[in-house]
Amino acid sequence: DAGVIQSPRHEVTEMGQEVTLRCKPISGHDYLFWYRQTMMRGLELLIYFNNNVPIDDSGMPEDRFSAKMPNASFSTLKIQPSEPRDSAVYFCASSPSPEAYGYTFGSGTRLTVV
Amino acid sequence: DQQVKQNSPSLSVQEGRISILNCDYTNSMFDYFLWYKKYPAEGPTFLISISSIKDKNEDGRFTVFLNKSAKHLSLHIVPSQPGDSAVYFCAASAIYPWAGNNRKLIWGLGTSLAVNP
Repeated sequence: DAGVIQSPRHEVTEMGQEVTLRCKPISGHDYLFWYRQTMMRGLELLIYFNNNVPIDDSGMPEDRFSAKMPNASFSTLKIQPSEPRDSAVYFCASSPSPEAYGYTFGSGTRLTVV
Repeated sequence: DQQVKQNSPSLSVQEGRISILNCDYTNSMFDYFLWYKKYPAEGPTFLISISSIKDKNEDGRFTVFLNKSAKHLSLHIVPSQPGDSAVYFCAASAIYPWAGNNRKLIWGLGTSLAVNP
């Protein structure tokens, strides 16, 4: 298995532009998590899905952020419009269960908004 | 307000010696604790965990100790190897009844470990 695949690895965009981050989870993993990592706040859970259904989106910072999981093999995290404070590394993780020891993280997308 | 605190941003040890990484938490509802390891340009990978009903869990060179009364856990690596050089995250898990009984994982900011040959 190729693991959790995220794209792009790096994204540089101008303030106000729409940004879409993509994630392909491990096949058979029913849980998918989107995390954001910053120096000041560390790893923060933005949203997670179970069987493609959003379960907890309380970590989504504001309405500019949205996430979808149209099928079991694909999820997107969209920021529209993007702002400089959104600059961070965004990780996607998948798991066969909600238990954290089962998480497999992708390599992350480093987003820079200028 | 950090519920999980890793007060040492960095740690440097000599190869072969013991590495001790510390983690403090404030929420008494946490019932499961984990350590993750992260190399540059990669996502975190699970290392070891411990349930709140235990005070020690061991896996090879890695041992996690939990002191519930002090709300403190530590990760011991013995002996340390250069390949252990990475950022180590402590994380704690609890069910939040006011959040739909969802289990939430709260992460520390990480400690960067450098093992020198």
